[in-house]
Amino acid sequence: DGGITQSPKYLFRKEGQNVTLSCEQNLNHDAMYWYRQDPGQGLRLIYYSQIVNDFQKGDIAEGYSVSREKKESFPLTVTSAQKNPTAFYLCASQRRANNQPQHFGDGTRLSIL
Amino acid sequence: DAKTTQPPSMDCAEGRAANLPCNHSTISGNEYVYWYRQIHSQGPQYIIHGLKNNETNEMASLIITEDRKSSTLILPHATLRDTAVYYCIVRVAGGGSNYKLTFGKGTLLTVNP
Repeated sequence: DGGITQSPKYLFRKEGQNVTLSCEQNLNHDAMYWYRQDPGQGLRLIYYSQIVNDFQKGDIAEGYSVSREKKESFPLTVTSAQKNPTAFYLCASQRRANNQPQHFGDGTRLSIL
Repeated sequence: DAKTTQPPSMDCAEGRAANLPCNHSTISGNEYVYWYRQIHSQGPQYIIHGLKNNETNEMASLIITEDRKSSTLILPHATLRDTAVYYCIVRVAGGGSNYKLTFGKGTLLTVNP
């Protein structure tokens, strides 16, 4: 089945540790996105990429980093510089045409030990 | 992006049609209306989108008023699995950070047996 796979579903981070969240899509979509969702809140854009080897900061990029070496993959690293990383992280992808919808994975829930 | 207004909650009997309204009175001519839903602890699921014509797919129908200032999402035969928060989003068709989705508080639809 085509779709977006995020892993792991749950992740725990120790103080001072970097962690990487995986996002893989087999929809042949050009654009990929990372959002953060806090309890009772809407989604906030962290990073997005419209093409391989290119990505742009979103509204809350501080403390996060990404790479886009392959069209299918857009991993997100939560660095130790992100002081409040506990949240639900969502990856999405979209076909290049402007009006096409974004499709989401099932998310990774990150907590601090 | 245009602001949207949705009722915070609605109830619907199982098997009946669920009609979810959305006001977007400041919508621009190049902005599309998208509907997503989110079940607790899962990623948002795309439902349907449209510009000015009514749209129908296997999940739902989207009715957009002639002046485009409001729309209604119709789930024709609601089931218990349709219980979720439904988001109406208006977004310009464009590139760059215009791709980001801005989720408001949405409507919690509860389908009752």
